[in-house]
Amino acid sequence: GESVGLHLPTLSVQEGDNSIINCAYSNSASDYFIWYKQESGKGPQFIIDIRSNMDKRQGQRVTVLLNKTVKHLSLQIAATQPGDSAVYFCAEMGAGTASKLTFGTGTRLQVTL
Amino acid sequence: NAGVMQNPRHLVRRRGQEARLRCSPMKGHSHVYWYRQLPEEGLKFMVYLQKENIIDESGMPKERFSAEFPKEGPSILRIQQVVRGDSAAYFCASSPPVGSGANVLTFGAGSRLTVL
Repeated sequence: GESVGLHLPTLSVQEGDNSIINCAYSNSASDYFIWYKQESGKGPQFIIDIRSNMDKRQGQRVTVLLNKTVKHLSLQIAATQPGDSAVYFCAEMGAGTASKLTFGTGTRLQVTL
Repeated sequence: NAGVMQNPRHLVRRRGQEARLRCSPMKGHSHVYWYRQLPEEGLKFMVYLQKENIIDESGMPKERFSAEFPKEGPSILRIQQVVRGDSAAYFCASSPPVGSGANVLTFGAGSRLTVL
């Protein structure tokens, strides 16, 4: 289940189950969104992106859904694996902001065996 | 093709000393960004540079912090007279030129600054 810890919200998922990580963004002018994965002691790693003219985009085992009406973004990971354990950040970029990304707070995904 | 290279990976400074963090962008990338991350938090934008130009420094503290990206050599984030609150992970990212069709930022592994 999902719980809010002292700092980062944490999502615990059993290996093989699907994971859904949610993100609310603040700027209605944002037109580009990215999900990053950050493992302990490492920099953020690109997972998947989506532009505001789309509402869904699929990659390998990952799907990003965008709901502009409620300014909500989600990342779905199919058949979650132990290697998926990390902190996941959504990031938004507004038009004309010259690639400046604004990051969300992040969600820690814990995959249990 | 090496990714974004940052050094040092770990840096310890005493209060009042200077910290210099270096970042070499990916080959072919002409834009560099610096972000700061406190424990258990997201990354906060600090500054965006192109060669010899600061494009956006809206996230930089007004005092003690400076950044440069010279014509030759890496980008440098400089923190003068460090205080304990400067302890954080500092990440550099780079991206291709605007208009190249790819504006995804690629991040380095970060430099972790600890101020004693």
